[in-house]
Amino acid sequence: SQQGEEDPQALSIQEGENATMNCSYKTSINNLQWYRQNSGRGLVHLILIRSNEREKHSGRLRVTLDTSKKSSSLLITASRAADTASYFCATDANSGNTPLVFGKGTRLSVIA
Amino acid sequence: DTAVSQTPKYLVTQMGNDKSIKCEQNLGHDTMYWYKQDSKKFLKIMFSYNNKELIINETVPNRFSPKSPDKAHLNLHINSLELGDSAVYFCASSRVTANTEAFFGQGTRLTVV
Repeated sequence: SQQGEEDPQALSIQEGENATMNCSYKTSINNLQWYRQNSGRGLVHLILIRSNEREKHSGRLRVTLDTSKKSSSLLITASRAADTASYFCATDANSGNTPLVFGKGTRLSVIA
Repeated sequence: DTAVSQTPKYLVTQMGNDKSIKCEQNLGHDTMYWYKQDSKKFLKIMFSYNNKELIINETVPNRFSPKSPDKAHLNLHINSLELGDSAVYFCASSRVTANTEAFFGQGTRLTVV
C-alpha cells in the first residue's frame, strides 16, 4: 500500500511565487526524501531529511518534518517555469535493506 | 556517463508476448530495484535485489521475474504480457547504508496492445 500521500494533487502558480507541497505517511520512518520527476523522465533526488531532523534547506528548497504528525512539507521559493514537474515524497522505513515507498505525487505547474 | 541506464526506452508489444527490459548501474551500488508507475503516476515497488539475492517481492505476478547476472545489472523479464502490464517501469539503485538516496533510470514505457 502507498505509504505517502501528497497534498495537493496538483498545484498551479505564477513564476516567482512560492510552492508548498505536503506529504503524510503512516508508519515509523528512518528518513523521508523528496524527488522530482519531469514529464517523461526518471525521478531525481532533491533532498533527504532524517527522522531526528525538523527542517532542512537546499538552495530554494526547504523541507520540514513532523514525526509526531507523520507529515512533511516541501517549499520551493521563488518558483521558476523550470520547476514544473511532479514531486514525490518517499519514506525509508529501515536502514538500507528496504526500498523507498512513494506517495502519489503533486503535479506542479509554474506559469511564466 | 549515465548512472542508471535502462533499455529500451519504449516497448510496444502484443498480448501474450514475452519481453525483457535491461538495467545497468555504474555507481557500484549493492541494491537495485524495479518500480512500476501506472497511468495515475503511482510508483510501486516490484523487486529489490541486494548482492544478487532477491530480498523483497511485492506480490508481483510470477509472470514477472528479475534476473541479476551481476551486481551492476538487474533485468526484468515479463512472460505472457497482458494489457494491464502497460505502464512505465523504472530501475533504480542505492547503497546499502542508512540515509542514502536512490538513483533512477529514465524509465521504459511498455505498451501492450
